[in-house]
Amino acid sequence: QKEVEQDPGPLSVPEGAIVSLNCTYSNSAFQYFMWYRQYSRKGPELLMYTYSSGNKEDGRFTAQVDKSSKYISLFIRDSQPSDSATYLCAMTLSYNTDKLIFGTGTRLQVFP
Amino acid sequence: DTGVSQNPRHKITKRGQNVTFRCDPISEHNRLYWYRQTLGQGPEFLTYFQNEAQLEKSRLLSDRFSAERPKGSFSTLEIQRTEQGDSAMYLCASSLGPAGASGNTIYFGEGSWLTVV
Repeated sequence: QKEVEQDPGPLSVPEGAIVSLNCTYSNSAFQYFMWYRQYSRKGPELLMYTYSSGNKEDGRFTAQVDKSSKYISLFIRDSQPSDSATYLCAMTLSYNTDKLIFGTGTRLQVFP
Repeated sequence: DTGVSQNPRHKITKRGQNVTFRCDPISEHNRLYWYRQTLGQGPEFLTYFQNEAQLEKSRLLSDRFSAERPKGSFSTLEIQRTEQGDSAMYLCASSLGPAGASGNTIYFGEGSWLTVV
């Protein structure tokens, strides 16, 4: 079993839809959680960073962490075709660790 | 400085040959990371440097792989005696501080694609 699990998709939604992307993890020691977006043939770019259970909002994006269930989510409101990409969750064990553990990524397609 | 730069972007090599990738991080960043990503998978950590010191290496980094960061600036990742299983995208990233710390964004380059035939 992988440490971090993500549905690979593809997830196909119409423009304007609310998108929900999820990750589950097995190691309860993970403390810090990130969401990265990766366009085709590009490197990942950081979208959201959270370290506590609850919600964090940034524009159209909301990150949600439930440590008791070992489950994190990313919600995208009013999705746009430009949101079409692979979304990777990542997590670390502690504040001063330098190693990110990534999920496999979920490919999202937003059609006009 | 516009970001993390990686060269070459694409490399096709015959099995058994050696290849070297170069990474130029964002200039003020003291941390530099190498990850490997295969199709349909997320990036997997290979190794990282703080300045010129290589502080952690993954078990994925077999003895055919070696990474250096002389003078704490650019880094090279060399793969000796390449195998077909080495075909992947090799991502370099850099940051000012630890990956887990808020505000210390890890910036990734666009990757170097390796195809071993």
